[in-house]
Amino acid sequence: SQQGEEDPQALSIQEGENATMNCSYKTSINNLQWYRQNSGRGLVHLILIRSNEREKHSGRLRVTLDTSKKSSSLLITASRAADTASYFCATDNAGNMLTFGGGTRLMVKP
Amino acid sequence: DAGITQSPRHKVTETGTPVTLRCHQTENHRYMYWYRQDPGHGLRLIHYSYGVKDTDKGEVSDGYSVSRSKTEDFLLTLESATSSQTSVYFCAISASVGRGKGFSHEQYFGPGTRLTVT
Repeated sequence: SQQGEEDPQALSIQEGENATMNCSYKTSINNLQWYRQNSGRGLVHLILIRSNEREKHSGRLRVTLDTSKKSSSLLITASRAADTASYFCATDNAGNMLTFGGGTRLMVKP
Repeated sequence: DAGITQSPRHKVTETGTPVTLRCHQTENHRYMYWYRQDPGHGLRLIHYSYGVKDTDKGEVSDGYSVSRSKTEDFLLTLESATSSQTSVYFCAISASVGRGKGFSHEQYFGPGTRLTVT
């Protein structure tokens, strides 16, 4: 079963707009991670936020974590066509295993 | 792809035949994982390894076996392939970051193997 569930499943925006993806999970976590997958490729680690952190930034990425609501969001600002990909959240329960959600497919139109 | 290769990259096989997929890493990481990715299911863990000859089952291990005789190689075997095992298979390694309470693992993925069972 999936620990993380992304919302929406698919998102289509224009270049320059912001993209927001949400992830909900069920059990307590050590940290939550976001990954990107370009078509036909493996997943690439984007950012990690620990359970005692509420917000983290990396370039155009902003991640928030609300452990009381068991949810996280990934914001990509000023999106580019190259951001077109699937985005996955993954929860780390401190057991050396990650549990992935079903992903959000992002399409950024030039 | 962080020094991780998978072979073959594509394979078509017939139902009932055994199939072995290979994952090779050059990073000397202790933890290695096999996932399958299917539409609507995201990534699901099949088996993982925490050292040479040390392996354990994941969420969807039925019909699969693994072996790790060397740190750098992690093999996934479909003992008798079925059409339900048609999927994209990803290998990953786990890299440790941070210390103490900040200790965590990030995973790095290989390019994937597309397996079709006819």
